[in-house]
Amino acid sequence: EVQLVESGGGLIQPGGSLRLSCAASGFTVSSNYMSWVRQAPGKGLEWVSVVYSGGSTYFADSVKGRFTISRDTSKNTLYLQMNSLRAEDTALYYCARGINWNFVGAFDVWGQGTMVTVSS
Amino acid sequence: EIVLTQSPGTLSLSPGERATLSCRASQSVSSNYLAWYQQKPGQAPRLLIYGASSRATGIPDRFSGSGSGTDFTLTISRLEPEDFAVYYCQQYVSSPWTFGQGTKVEIK
Repeated sequence: EVQLVESGGGLIQPGGSLRLSCAASGFTVSSNYMSWVRQAPGKGLEWVSVVYSGGSTYFADSVKGRFTISRDTSKNTLYLQMNSLRAEDTALYYCARGINWNFVGAFDVWGQGTMVTVSS
Repeated sequence: EIVLTQSPGTLSLSPGERATLSCRASQSVSSNYLAWYQQKPGQAPRLLIYGASSRATGIPDRFSGSGSGTDFTLTISRLEPEDFAVYYCQQYVSSPWTFGQGTKVEIK
């Protein structure tokens, strides 16, 4: 079964760091186009970052320079390292898979999300 | 950044009725790079349409997408009880990829 399971969320103080994980099963993370998408409480969806199968990475302007995306082939896991966290980063963070090389931004598999709360 | 504006914000309809949701882009979006999602409370989004008009795996044929350039439409031909949800359009033609603000389809 194709599945994504996120973990690593929690309550963190402003300025702190957190690393989110997204464990995949049923497919290979490194062969796919993997993204993070977030949703603030009661709000819409916001794309955060993508890593292409070839390793290229892209970020939303709101997180550029503070977040990094990576993957561990041996663990078949995607990561989001979040530094210098701000209150506006508070959201439910989803990892998602792009359908294929031609539709990399159309997400056909989603995890259940992990909640990040940035507050003092 | 491409801004996507969805209308209406809320659509109040009865089961069996036809729903027409609009998504307008601030710049032209190649039809290969426009998707639609459905989200129910407490659930992750579900991909309905990609490439503006291609149904994702397992999506019923009552859902259809159309449009090109800056104007796109999601149509639900006959609303089923499980279709009442929030719908988002999304473009992935240029970074940053962006979503519309959503249209809520509620039971009238």
